[in-house]
Amino acid sequence: GAGVSQSPRYKVAKRGQDVALRCDPISGHVSLFWYQQALGQGPEFLTYFQNEAQLDKSGLPSDRFFAERPEGSVSTLKIQRTQQEDSAVYLCASSHRRDRLAKNIQYFGAGTRLSVL
Amino acid sequence: KNEVEQSPQNLTAQEGEFITINCSYSVGISALHWLQQHPGGGIVSLFMLSSGKKKHGRLIATINIQEKHSSLHITASHPRDSAVYICAANSGGSNYKLTFGKGTLLTVNP
Repeated sequence: GAGVSQSPRYKVAKRGQDVALRCDPISGHVSLFWYQQALGQGPEFLTYFQNEAQLDKSGLPSDRFFAERPEGSVSTLKIQRTQQEDSAVYLCASSHRRDRLAKNIQYFGAGTRLSVL
Repeated sequence: KNEVEQSPQNLTAQEGEFITINCSYSVGISALHWLQQHPGGGIVSLFMLSSGKKKHGRLIATINIQEKHSSLHITASHPRDSAVYICAANSGGSNYKLTFGKGTLLTVNP
């Protein structure tokens, strides 16, 4: 497809379960972002990749959150031992400029809605 | 206090009305983004601007750097414009990281 693809669209997890959320960015985009959006709030930055390098993970809320992009394309956000406060929509976005310092339009996926029971 | 504040939080209009959504930010920025989010859908970028004004169809975005304020206007509003509109800023110290407002829920009634 032409856009950013995320899967699954919906995920229900029992508290304590590990989950993995997948993002397929637009082909050729070097920058990839993960955001967390709580109900009724704007998205909040989690982490940023340029190709396979994770350049900023300052937004990850705890060490239970881990993201990777091993080949510089598909990315996975993993949440270990999920808790109820992890319930949110997780958005992925990609953009194409190589220059980290350049402002870029980000193209967003539809998100994965995670519900932790 | 959030770095990016939007108003109003909710807005209801009749079809055809002129709409204005406001965004204020408290830090230096390198760019200001306006985004649209439909219920259950992803986010679509509408504008990215650093100064002045941009127009696309019935949408107009303006920014006043000195006053740290931006507005999104919709002319001749239509029910299909109903969505959440989000303002986001590239903070001056990080040109890639976006700080988002909480969004404005716009409902346009026929």
